[in-house]
Amino acid sequence: GAGVSQTPSNKVTEKGKYVELRCDPISGHTALYWYRQSLGQGPEFLIYFQGTGAADDSGLPNDRFFAVRPEGSVSTLKIQRTERGDSAVYLCASSLLADTQYFGPGTRLTVL
Amino acid sequence: SQQGEEDPQALSIQEGENATMNCSYKTSINNLQWYRQNSGRGLVHLILIRSNEREKHSGRLRVTLDTSKKSSSLLITASRAADTASYFCATGGGFQKLVFGTGTRLLVSP
Repeated sequence: GAGVSQTPSNKVTEKGKYVELRCDPISGHTALYWYRQSLGQGPEFLIYFQGTGAADDSGLPNDRFFAVRPEGSVSTLKIQRTERGDSAVYLCASSLLADTQYFGPGTRLTVL
Repeated sequence: SQQGEEDPQALSIQEGENATMNCSYKTSINNLQWYRQNSGRGLVHLILIRSNEREKHSGRLRVTLDTSKKSSSLLITASRAADTASYFCATGGGFQKLVFGTGTRLLVSP
C-alpha cells in the first residue's frame, strides 16, 4: 500500500508568516510522529499522536508550534510567526506495531 | 537532543569494500534501530536489534550491540554505489519517540 505522504514537499515563506505542513500516515496506523531535521543533524522529535490525542508533545520547541490530528489519521503541523531558525526538513512517521516507524519524504521549510 | 554520536561522521569507500559505522548512546535501551536516509529526506528502516541480542543479520547488513559499552555497529558488506546515503542509529520506539544519533555519511564510489 501507499507509504507516508507529506505535503508540500518544499515550502518557502517569509519571516513572521504562518505555515501548515500536512502528513498522511499509512492507512490504519494509529501512531503518528513529527520530527525536525536541521542540516547535518539527525532528526529530533517534536510530537507524537496516538489516535487523535497528543501522547507526547515534549519536543515542541515553543508555543509557536502546534499540531493536530482531529480524526486520528491526517495530521497538520502548524507554525506561527515563523523564524529563520525554523528552517529545516520536517519529517512525519507512522507506526502500527510498537517498534518500527515508517517515515515520509519530508517537507523542506525555508524561512527567508 | 541527540542520543549519541555515530563514528565516523563521513566514510568514503570503493564498491565491493565493506563499510563499518559505529554508534554510541547514553541511556539504557530496549532496542536500537538503524535507518538510511538518501538526499536528506525520508528515512528507511533497516534493522532493529533488541537489548538481549548481540548480533543480527539482514542481507548484506550485520548489526552488533554491546550494551555494556552502550555502542552498536553497522556493517555493510560488498558495498554498492546505491548504498551511498546517511546512516543513523536510533534508540526508543515502542510507541515512544525515536532519539537519533548524528549520522554517518557514506559515499561508495564505482
